Amino acid sequence: DTVLTQSPALAVSPGERVSISCRASEGVNSYMHWYQQKPGQQPKLLIYKASNLASGVPARFSGSGSGTDFTLTIDPVEADDTATYFCQQSWNDPPTFGAGTKLELK
Amino acid sequence: EVQLVESGGGLVQPGSPLKLSCAASGFTFSSNWLNWIRQAPGKGLEWVASINPDGSSTYYPDTVKGRFVVSKDNAKNTGYLQMNNLRSEDTAMYYCARGNYYSSYPFWGPGTMVTVSS
Repeated sequence: DTVLTQSPALAVSPGERVSISCRASEGVNSYMHWYQQKPGQQPKLLIYKASNLASGVPARFSGSGSGTDFTLTIDPVEADDTATYFCQQSWNDPPTFGAGTKLELK
Repeated sequence: EVQLVESGGGLVQPGSPLKLSCAASGFTFSSNWLNWIRQAPGKGLEWVASINPDGSSTYYPDTVKGRFVVSKDNAKNTGYLQMNNLRSEDTAMYYCARGNYYSSYPFWGPGTMVTVSS
């Protein structure tokens, strides 16, 4: 299975820019997607196919990367962005998710 | 508005079966894949099943293959996950999600909790 590695946690101040990384154990082309999950809620799709903004998602969120290295960027960060962010690949079988990066605001 | 609502979760003993449902509305259910994804308490997300639009093809990871069966009733706009021989490690929140197999999951239900414990 394709293993996706994410940093466990990040802490940033409101107004700053934050980059959340996801590294795949093997190439996934551009088939990397990003989700935001707040406590007690289902995941919400933010970015699909590496760099495409999902419907209704603020332009503060952006994605980049291809192959094995991908980044979700939030600029500027707002208080409401406190959440866990997951990456997911759908290029290789089976679909897999990263363990998540918990974003906390200072 | 696209809606997915899971039901059927609960507390069951190891080795027991349980069937989850996913009621869909706001889109053409018969033209869409249906997926089940779970999340153990405090843990990450794990894909557990997918079924194609007409229900003719199903897919599972090795962790549940042979124990879980995914199905969909397009006439009732409802998907199902039959879980057999449940283990403690199956304890999780189970979400149904719309999305093609080699794609992202743009819509998720709120989830239903399954606890496997004696």
